[in-house]
Amino acid sequence: NAGVTQTPKFRVLKTGQSMTLLCAQDMNHEYMYWYRQDPGMGLRLIHYSVGEGTTAKGEVPDGYNVSRLKKQNFLLGLESAAPSQTSVYFCASSYLGYGYTFGSGTRLTVV
Amino acid sequence: GQQVMQIPQYQHVQEGEDFTTYCNSSTTLSNIQWYKQRPGGHPVFLIQLVKSGEVKKQKRLTFQFGEAKKNSSLHITATQTTDVGTYFCAGVRGGGSNYKLTFGKGTLLTVNP
Repeated sequence: NAGVTQTPKFRVLKTGQSMTLLCAQDMNHEYMYWYRQDPGMGLRLIHYSVGEGTTAKGEVPDGYNVSRLKKQNFLLGLESAAPSQTSVYFCASSYLGYGYTFGSGTRLTVV
Repeated sequence: GQQVMQIPQYQHVQEGEDFTTYCNSSTTLSNIQWYKQRPGGHPVFLIQLVKSGEVKKQKRLTFQFGEAKKNSSLHITATQTTDVGTYFCAGVRGGGSNYKLTFGKGTLLTVNP
C-alpha cells in the first residue's frame, strides 16, 4: 500500500530549465494538491484538483502548471525555473477533504 | 483571504514537560485538522475536529475546537523525544469548499532529553 508517491525526490535545475514533478496515489482519492514548503512560510497551496480532468489555482500558482489526465496522477510543471522556486514540494491527496495523505516530498534547487 | 495563525512559532521543552500550541482563524471554520511533520519528513494527519467545543484525545495528545469555531489547540502531556517535530493546524472556511485547507505556519517543538 504505497499511498502517495512523488518522483523525483531530489533535483537540481539551472535557471530557465523546465521539469515535471510526478505525483501518484493508489487510494482512489478524488482530490489532489501540490504544496510548496519554505522555511518560516508553512505549506502554501500551488494548484489543486477535485477530479480527473479538472484543476484550479491555489494561493501561489505563478510559474507553475498542472495536469490531471488520470485520476491517480497529478503532475506539476515548471516551464522556466527560477531561483525563487527553490523549495520542498509536497503532493497530497484526500477523500473529500478529510485527512490529507502527503507524499515524501521533492527537494528542488534552482541555481 | 482566510488566515490561520499559530503560536508559538517555536517551543523548546524538557522531556516530561507539557506543551501547547494554539491556532486562530480570522474566519469561522467548518472544521480544523492537525498534522505533525518530523524533521526532514512529510506532514502526517493526526485528527479532524468538526463540532463547536469538541475535545478529542489521542493518548497524551488533547485537541480542542473552540466554541466559536475560530480557534483550536493541541496539548501534549509529559512530552517525549518522539514528540519532536512541527505541528500544523489547517482549517476549512465555514461555508467554503471542503477540499481546500489553509495551513498555519506551524509550531516547531524540540524536546531536551
